[in-house]
Amino acid sequence: AQSVTQLGSHVSVSEGALVLLRCNYSSSVPPYLFWYVQYPNQGLQLLLKYTSAATLVKGINGFEAEFKKSETSFHLTKPSAHMSDAAEYFCAVTSYNQGGKLIFGQGTELSVKP
Amino acid sequence: GAGVSQSPSNKVTEKGKDVELRCDPISGHTALYWYRQSLGQGLEFLIYFQGNSAPDKSGLPSDRFSAERTGGSVSTLTIQRTQQEDSAVYLCASGSGSSSYNEQFFGPGTRLTVL
Repeated sequence: AQSVTQLGSHVSVSEGALVLLRCNYSSSVPPYLFWYVQYPNQGLQLLLKYTSAATLVKGINGFEAEFKKSETSFHLTKPSAHMSDAAEYFCAVTSYNQGGKLIFGQGTELSVKP
Repeated sequence: GAGVSQSPSNKVTEKGKDVELRCDPISGHTALYWYRQSLGQGLEFLIYFQGNSAPDKSGLPSDRFSAERTGGSVSTLTIQRTQQEDSAVYLCASGSGSSSYNEQFFGPGTRLTVL
């Protein structure tokens, strides 16, 4: 079975500060890992994904994430937060034998203070 | 180009009624997924269609839930005898190919409220 844990349901940062959203996964087979963002009243949009190539993955809007197998983590970072980054962020896992069905974490709501 | 569309955007129904939710995937996408997003349970997988293969129904919470995909394109999720715990946002996603690591493109969702 696979699972995802996102530490912190709410994270608040100041504009220009580092963004760090935490994600830990559990998987008995090599995982594929994803970060999605959801803006209010919209569907989910893919930020980035890890599919067993480079462990440091760069995504859209300046976000990046590093796959650390030893820590079973896939934390999302951005060096400098913008007001437009305020949204809910979801980490998800799947694997080659899951047909692509995603197992999501509970989500982290990011607030950005001016 | 057009993304994934879902209809209706909002649906209010009375307990015990049946509802149908529609998903129009991106043209040419062979994979189609339904998920449910609720306050108590977060985002949950419901069902997955891939081409002409039998669907993966492992996430459907009860036999009141069913889905079909006609002609490899449009999908309908049906909930019979709705209950209050069915209130949630139902999200549809589509993807190209059959690889698990392919990106899923999500629609805006249908917000279902069961009174």
